[in-house]
Amino acid sequence: DTEVTQTPKHLVMGMTNKKSLKCEQHMGHRAMYWYKQKAKKPPELMFVYSYEKLSINESVPSRFSPECPNSSLLNLHLHALQPEDSALYLCASSQRTGGSGGELFFGEGSRLTVL
Amino acid sequence: AQKVTQAQTEISVVEKEDVTLDCVYETRDTTYYLFWYKQPPSGELVFLIRRNSFDEQNEISGRYSWNFQKSTSSFNFTITASQVVDSAVYFCALSESNYGQNFVFGPGTRLSVLP
Repeated sequence: DTEVTQTPKHLVMGMTNKKSLKCEQHMGHRAMYWYKQKAKKPPELMFVYSYEKLSINESVPSRFSPECPNSSLLNLHLHALQPEDSALYLCASSQRTGGSGGELFFGEGSRLTVL
Repeated sequence: AQKVTQAQTEISVVEKEDVTLDCVYETRDTTYYLFWYKQPPSGELVFLIRRNSFDEQNEISGRYSWNFQKSTSSFNFTITASQVVDSAVYFCALSESNYGQNFVFGPGTRLSVLP
């Protein structure tokens, strides 16, 4: 069983909808991540939170808005998405950022389809 | 800048064959960390191994083994006596030790183990 839980597992939304992806971990990790993965591609980093503060934003469009309400939760708010945003969105956590902070633990992902 | 290359896009083997997945990396840091992840069709990335740049000892875990050679900047992964359940996409990843640095994933190698 994964220790990083993501909901929902599948999401279909229209371009005018507002939805949110949720991620939760109870391993006491202080770094949390959002990755986007298109088919047959490696995961691409979107955001990194370190001690509940946004530390990396990889030039992600503003229609993606991350939020870290506390050390266990990470949300990704979605608004006015485009069909090309359809992808698998993966949440991950690690003890700290950087390679010395340990390996990333990934959730099962939320598969998003934008119509 | 960090970079990870996995030259093999797809590999097919017959069950019980041994298979080696190649990984070559680039980094200017003297301290860095290398990882292997497995992504089965379900989508979750499963952590397999983490190795730091100061530890060149090879590692064996059951049917899995890893060969780390700093001289050739390679961190290869061998599966002995492959099984159908080993079919997945395997990603090699690199993380530098600096605070805030993220994981860089290689493009992945899709392994198909045929019965």
